[in-house]
Amino acid sequence: TAGITQAPTSQILAAGRSMTLRCTQDMRHNAMYWYRQDLGLGLRLIHYSNTAGTTGKGEVPDGYSVSRANTDDFPLTLASAVPSQTSVYFCASSTSGRASDTQYFGPGTRLTVL
Amino acid sequence: GQSLEQPSEVTAVEGAIVQINCTYQTSGFYGLSWYQQHDGGAPTFLSYNALDGLEETGRFSSFLSRSDSYGYLLLQELQMKDSASYFCAVALQGGKLIFGQGTELSVKP
Repeated sequence: TAGITQAPTSQILAAGRSMTLRCTQDMRHNAMYWYRQDLGLGLRLIHYSNTAGTTGKGEVPDGYSVSRANTDDFPLTLASAVPSQTSVYFCASSTSGRASDTQYFGPGTRLTVL
Repeated sequence: GQSLEQPSEVTAVEGAIVQINCTYQTSGFYGLSWYQQHDGGAPTFLSYNALDGLEETGRFSSFLSRSDSYGYLLLQELQMKDSASYFCAVALQGGKLIFGQGTELSVKP
């Protein structure tokens, strides 16, 4: 199985443009998460969803929006990109959103905002 | 707020034992997780501790003391492939993870 996939792999985006990062999982996991990782730092939670139809804010939600129309997909949208959103973005999923659940991460999207 | 502290880098030789410490300050603590990341790739799960004590999984062990807000990851019989970044993460309700800034482990021959 593919597990969890992200697209695009990398992108250069002009400031002020919008962009949607895609994330799809085929493990039928209920919970999904978006993190950003800046150079030399840990991952910071942007938004999460414990089940289709629900979303919540993480540590750094400003400037980002998400939707969860179905179990498999969890797109992340930047409505008007700014240079500080240059980062590597990781999507993750887990079985049910329990604290003890293993989170499975996608390969990441490297985004540069100029 | 939430904060975690772990050393930025550790160096050890093949075959040795290394311990990576993690201290945290948080509210709503459910447990402490550890993840490994090679060369900026996808992080992978190593361990989770909800209760005090030691959890062992092969060459890796993880310890938690809730009263001290402290945990560590112990790697035994180090191999070159263990060179990577290691992150502790506090697990909150809903599976939300708050990550430390990571410890870069370099294993030398």
